[in-house]
Amino acid sequence: EPEVTQTPSHQVTQMGQEVILRCVPISNHLYFYWYRQILGQKVEFLVSFYNNEISEKSEIFDDQFSVERPDGSNFTLKIRSTKLEDSAMYFCASSEALSNEQFFGPGTRLTVL
Amino acid sequence: AQTVTQSQPEMSVQEAETVTLSCTYDTSENNYYLFWYKQPPSRQMILVIRQEAYKQQNATENRFSVNFQKAAKSFSLKISDSQLGDTAMYFCAFVNMDSNYQLIWGAGTKLIIKP
Repeated sequence: EPEVTQTPSHQVTQMGQEVILRCVPISNHLYFYWYRQILGQKVEFLVSFYNNEISEKSEIFDDQFSVERPDGSNFTLKIRSTKLEDSAMYFCASSEALSNEQFFGPGTRLTVL
Repeated sequence: AQTVTQSQPEMSVQEAETVTLSCTYDTSENNYYLFWYKQPPSRQMILVIRQEAYKQQNATENRFSVNFQKAAKSFSLKISDSQLGDTAMYFCAFVNMDSNYQLIWGAGTKLIIKP
């Protein structure tokens, strides 16, 4: 069964460093999403992406964040200069259409020291 | 603004018992979907069940069923014959199908199944 994959599973970085979180969505899916879950808190929407551009983004998704689909398979989330409060689980999701179920990857745990 | 509320931070039942997790939501929209996701200790997010708002019939998926009360904006999850593997965080989520399609999440209920 096709699935969304994410790498790495755990990333530790120093405050101020750039990180890139990678996702490989399901191959025939067209819509891609990033969500974040700070430990013990709600899952929060960050951004949705379609046709090589951002469709929606939340207030959390400020200038420090960017997304890219550098090739036909990867979907990346870049945090330019990490802050302590960026420590969270980051989930990538994809869907075939906007009205379809979003399938989630296993998440990347980001720890900023 | 759309919100999702889960009023039970934690629940605990014996194996084989039935448990109901509650969820309420607030929206003025008519075209939306509701979901229950399970997050085990591995932290992967797994879809348990989905309900389209236009459907009157409650969704069921094996041991999992929902009680969808549209007028009351209530969407509870019933787990029958609970199993140890059901131990997880359970999140209720909402998506507006007429606008932005971003999932709006509740705070979660930690469910513990005791042997």
